[in-house]
Amino acid sequence: NAGVTQTPKFQVLKTGQSMTLQCAQDMNHEYMSWYRQDPGMGLRLIHYSVGAGITDQGEVPNGYNVSRSTTEDFPLRLLSAAPSQTSVYFCASSQGTTQYFGPGTRLLVL
Amino acid sequence: DAKTTQPTSMDCAEGRAANLPCNHSTISGNEYVYWYRQIHSQGPQYIIHGLKNNETNEMASLIITEDRKSSTLILPHATLRDTAVYYCIPRGGGSQGNLIFGKGTKLSVKP
Repeated sequence: NAGVTQTPKFQVLKTGQSMTLQCAQDMNHEYMSWYRQDPGMGLRLIHYSVGAGITDQGEVPNGYNVSRSTTEDFPLRLLSAAPSQTSVYFCASSQGTTQYFGPGTRLLVL
Repeated sequence: DAKTTQPTSMDCAEGRAANLPCNHSTISGNEYVYWYRQIHSQGPQYIIHGLKNNETNEMASLIITEDRKSSTLILPHATLRDTAVYYCIPRGGGSQGNLIFGKGTKLSVKP
């Protein structure tokens, strides 16, 4: 199993640009989520999904959209990037009580 | 959700036991104590969890006080690769729900 994979690893955007961060898992987990981590801070939840077709907001959802059309994939969309969205983004999945995290995407918005 | 208090940083000599404390005095009866760690620039990694009994796995041991207001994560023989930020996270039992991360403890294992 590859576990949780994320692409790209690094991305530089200009203010106002849009992009999609990809997340995929091959463990057939129902639950998936997106977190962001700012320097020196713990992770904060952006959006999560309890299964295909179901998504909900976390602690810091503004500026981000998600969809869950399949069990495997949970993309995170930035419609109009802002410098405040410069961060490291982690995707996670779980089935049961343990969450498995991807390697992260580092995003810089200029 | 229960609030946690962890030391900002700790040092440990390589080969010695690392004991990481966590105070969670407001933990509710159905909340487990989870421990995750984050090695620099990587995604968090699950270590262990428990409700009220002590737990041990291949990575660590978890000691929970009888009143459940605090716990200690023990890495029995710390190596340089154990240098990481360690997070103590109370979480509802059986929940697939989200993790609430604090700032954790930065453990530095030194030769």
